[in-house]
Amino acid sequence: QQQVKQSPQSLIVQKGGISIINCAYENTAFDYFPWYQQFPGKGPALLIAIRPDVSEKKEGRFTISFNKSAKQFSLHIMDSQPGDSATYFCAASDMSLGRLYFGRGTQLTVWP
Amino acid sequence: EAGVAQSPRYKIIEKRQSVAFWCNPISGHATLYWYQQILGQGPKLLIQFQNNGVVDDSQLPKDRFSAERLKGVDSTLKIQPAKLEDSAVYLCASSSDTLGEQYFGPGTRLTVT
Repeated sequence: QQQVKQSPQSLIVQKGGISIINCAYENTAFDYFPWYQQFPGKGPALLIAIRPDVSEKKEGRFTISFNKSAKQFSLHIMDSQPGDSATYFCAASDMSLGRLYFGRGTQLTVWP
Repeated sequence: EAGVAQSPRYKIIEKRQSVAFWCNPISGHATLYWYQQILGQGPKLLIQFQNNGVVDDSQLPKDRFSAERLKGVDSTLKIQPAKLEDSAVYLCASSSDTLGEQYFGPGTRLTVT
């Protein structure tokens, strides 16, 4: 059973545009929602994370929007750049346990 | 600060052979994770250690996979015998504790032929 569902599977955005990736979860015990960025041949790297006590978190061009009642969260990449081309994974965990449940990933391509 | 180190980076074996992967976590990190990432999917936890004790190995295929973390530092993951479906990238991650950010190593790409 997929604990975290992610969409779309792939995304093509023009340089300067907004990239939006969505995730949904079922387990109400989850209290930590990170987004990871992965380049080919590299391990995932933490991009930004949110706790459910806030509805939005912004770091530079990256914003997480969180809807606790709908059990959904999304990543917005503003002013997308070719260097943002990578695979993005949402994840969720119960922080007292530590284990991360990952979505299936979104392959983002930003073309010039 | 050095990151999570893994070796080898690539390994090709035939089915029914055995293979071992090594992970050296970030210094001082008590929690260590092994994830399996099949092509086109997100990482899936295989086993989680807290110091040298196992916290969660519910997703580890124990008939063929084993892992240990001697002295609460380095860890090895072994597959014996390997199956075709074990072809994947094996990622090691570490964190200061279960509440901390997980830092991932570069992974070991295993191909089973």
